[in-house]
Amino acid sequence: SQQGEEDPQALSIQEGENATMNCSYKTSINNLQWYRQNSGRGLVHLILIRSNEREKHSGRLRVTLDTSKKSSSLLITASRAADTASYFCATVLGGYQKVTFGTGTKLQVIP
Amino acid sequence: EAGVAQSPRYKIIEKRQSVAFWCNPISGHATLYWYQQILGQGPKLLIQFQNNGVVDDSQLPKDRFSAERLKGVDSTLKIQPAKLEDSAVYLCASSWGRGAFFGQGTRLTVV
Repeated sequence: SQQGEEDPQALSIQEGENATMNCSYKTSINNLQWYRQNSGRGLVHLILIRSNEREKHSGRLRVTLDTSKKSSSLLITASRAADTASYFCATVLGGYQKVTFGTGTKLQVIP
Repeated sequence: EAGVAQSPRYKIIEKRQSVAFWCNPISGHATLYWYQQILGQGPKLLIQFQNNGVVDDSQLPKDRFSAERLKGVDSTLKIQPAKLEDSAVYLCASSWGRGAFFGQGTRLTVV
């Protein structure tokens, strides 16, 4: 079963604009991760935010986490055509670090 | 650092046939995951190993799917017999606790 749900399901923006994707989940977590998947390829780990953190930055990526609302958001600033991909949030829970993926947001950045 | 290796990349079989996928994780990663990703959906966890022991196989259809991880390193996932609904990409990932690293996946088509 999917732990997370993301919205929007699809997003189309112009190059240079910011893209925001949201993720909601159901249970308490150890940490939350975001992944990117280019068409026909494997997933690439982007960023991890722990349950006791509220915000994290990595380059043009900004992730927030609100554990009271069980939600997270991924912001990509100054988007580029190369950012076109599907983005997934993944919750990690339990002592064995079970990683469960959301439904994904398909991002298209138009040059 | 070598990534997660999977083979084959593509496989086409007829329903009721059997198929096996192979995964070689990143050296030193104790955790190994197998995911099934149906087109347009997020990856669904089939089975998770910690070293050579299974820690989660709650979503593995055990009447037809099996997996093993020999000596806590390489892993194989088998489907016997295959059904049309098994058509998907099968992703292997490994982790040492701070994000999972994915292979390129095996695209299975059952006809």
